Amino acid sequence: DVKVTQSSRYLVKRTGEKVFLECVQDMDHENMFWYRQDPGLGLRLIYFSYDVKMKEKGDIPEGYSVSREKKERFSLILESASTNQTSMYLCASSSGGRDSGGYTFGSGTRLTVV
Amino acid sequence: QKEVEQDPGPLSVPEGAIVSLNCTYSNSAFQYFMWYRQYSRKGPELLMYTYSSGNKEDGRFTAQVDKSSKYISLFIRDSQPSDSATYLCAMSEDDYKLSFGAGTTVTVRA
Repeated sequence: DVKVTQSSRYLVKRTGEKVFLECVQDMDHENMFWYRQDPGLGLRLIYFSYDVKMKEKGDIPEGYSVSREKKERFSLILESASTNQTSMYLCASSSGGRDSGGYTFGSGTRLTVV
Repeated sequence: QKEVEQDPGPLSVPEGAIVSLNCTYSNSAFQYFMWYRQYSRKGPELLMYTYSSGNKEDGRFTAQVDKSSKYISLFIRDSQPSDSATYLCAMSEDDYKLSFGAGTTVTVRA
């Protein structure tokens, strides 16, 4: 069964901490994505990557950075966590192209910043 | 105006009813259309995937795309309590970056 695995289900961090969210996929997908999901706002794209060491900003990149050193791993970094970054974070991957079958999502990381 | 509009509901139906969900969109270049189901505290999972216009059926689920009206629908027949979830529509020009609706929360009452 193909999988996208997010390293933590729940995290509690303090304001100002540097936070790392890890995501690993085992499908040899080219594309990987980080979203945050908030009630009433839906899924908002933070960053995405279409190849190793390549990254592009999504719709809400402020306060975040990413790293993709290996094809299977895409990390989201909160440089200095703030309370408004409390959210559900979802990682996804896809092969892209026609009939790719859309995204495969991880189970999510619920981050609380106190 | 949002690129993809979806009524957040909530929608509550009795077991066995037909659930009807829909999304409208503004970008005429969208060609790939998807529906995801998300259970509470889980990540979304792909339910239906269609390219261009037309209908697609998979068991109790039917997806319809009307590109001329910029409107997509998902129908769930013989709904079950296990269908209680949030349903997200998603669409894309190139099957690379997806634009999502806000999601509709559905409860099927036993």
